[in-house]
Amino acid sequence: AQSVTQLDSQVPVFEEAPVELRCNYSSSVSVYLFWYVQYPNQGLQLLLKYLSGSTLVESINGFEAEFNKSQTSFHLRKPSVHISDTAEYFCAVRLQGAQKLVFGQGTRLTINP
Amino acid sequence: GAGVSQSPRYKVTKRGQDVTLRCDPISSHATLYWYQQALGQGPEFLTYFNYEAQPDKSGLPSDRFSAERPEGSISTLTIQRTEQRDSAMYRCASSFTLGPTETQYFGPGTRLLVL
Repeated sequence: AQSVTQLDSQVPVFEEAPVELRCNYSSSVSVYLFWYVQYPNQGLQLLLKYLSGSTLVESINGFEAEFNKSQTSFHLRKPSVHISDTAEYFCAVRLQGAQKLVFGQGTRLTINP
Repeated sequence: GAGVSQSPRYKVTKRGQDVTLRCDPISSHATLYWYQQALGQGPEFLTYFNYEAQPDKSGLPSDRFSAERPEGSISTLTIQRTEQRDSAMYRCASSFTLGPTETQYFGPGTRLLVL
């Protein structure tokens, strides 16, 4: 069965600093990869996804993630964070042919001024 | 509707009572999912519907849990004889159609507390 591990439950960073949120997955078959974000008092929103093609995918608010098949990773990065990026971030995988998403435990990103 | 809505947003109940949670998906969406999220964990799959069919119930933790979508739109999740371990956030999501590349759009969730 597939699983997703987010290695950091909490990541505190200063505003304008770079950040990387780590995600590793295990699966014996090909997967699709997703990052969801939950801002305070809101529902989960899709941030970005990897389906095929270029292994580097970007979101509209400056985040990017790179699919690394050999390391089974899909780390999320941003070169300079803003206070408004404070949220909980969830990595998720979906098997090709399957319907359900399998989520990691989540990483709480806290931005300090 | 414009987005996925869920009701109630919060529910407090006593152990042994039955509860029913409601999900109203995006109106054009054929597929609807239920997830359970314990505190400090990521969401875990419970079940999904394609229109009114329920092809996968594998994530339902026990026979106390059941879900319906009789007309292929609104769905309800019912937990009978609630237990304290059922306390969690229950999340509903919908997607336009089946397919692993389809984006799932999530509602705000229902936070259930069983005393």
